[in-house]
Amino acid sequence: EAGVAQSPRYKIIEKRQSVAFWCNPISGHATLYWYQQILGQGPKLLIQFQNNGVVDDSQLPKDRFSAERLKGVDSTLKIQPAKLEDSAVYLCASSLDGGSLAKNIQYFGAGTRLSVL
Amino acid sequence: EDQVTQSPEALRLQEGESSSLNCSYTVSGLRGLFWYRQDPGKGPEFLFTLYSAGEEKEKERLKATLTKKESFLHITAPKPEDSATYLCAVERWTSGSRLTFGEGTQLTVNP
Repeated sequence: EAGVAQSPRYKIIEKRQSVAFWCNPISGHATLYWYQQILGQGPKLLIQFQNNGVVDDSQLPKDRFSAERLKGVDSTLKIQPAKLEDSAVYLCASSLDGGSLAKNIQYFGAGTRLSVL
Repeated sequence: EDQVTQSPEALRLQEGESSSLNCSYTVSGLRGLFWYRQDPGKGPEFLFTLYSAGEEKEKERLKATLTKKESFLHITAPKPEDSATYLCAVERWTSGSRLTFGEGTQLTVNP
């Protein structure tokens, strides 16, 4: 079974530029998550989708970050404009059904490492 | 606010030297506690989920236990391939399936 796919693996941009990350979850997984992981820290949830609806975006900096999950499958996370403090690894994860106790295990992709100069 | 504290921050063991990693948590209404392993340049890899105090789960050289305030990840006779960062995360009943992670324990096992 294929895992969570993310691209690109690495991205270097200058501050104030825009950047977009793409994620394709495991087939059949209804719930999709975007996390930010700063070096030396644990991942922090940015946004959670259930199919194509947003469940939790309380920790998403909405003035510069946006995300969408059209058609309830793959998803895009965008940063516009980027700041130096956005340098981090952006991880995508998916689960069968985040609302179900037996199906809420999250499987992670390899992430996109973003460097903002 | 949910809090997860892992200790130690880093641990260096000799091959075969057993030890434990600690995860202390403060959460209102624990739904589940998760252990993940993360290798450099990769995403976290799921190891265990624990749902209630007293529960234990094992996988190869790893054993996870849960109390009402903390969880332990016991590593028995570790091998160099067990070297990784081990992350603990909690999920609360009222936060959907959002995971709140600790900062991890970086384990190095020397041959």
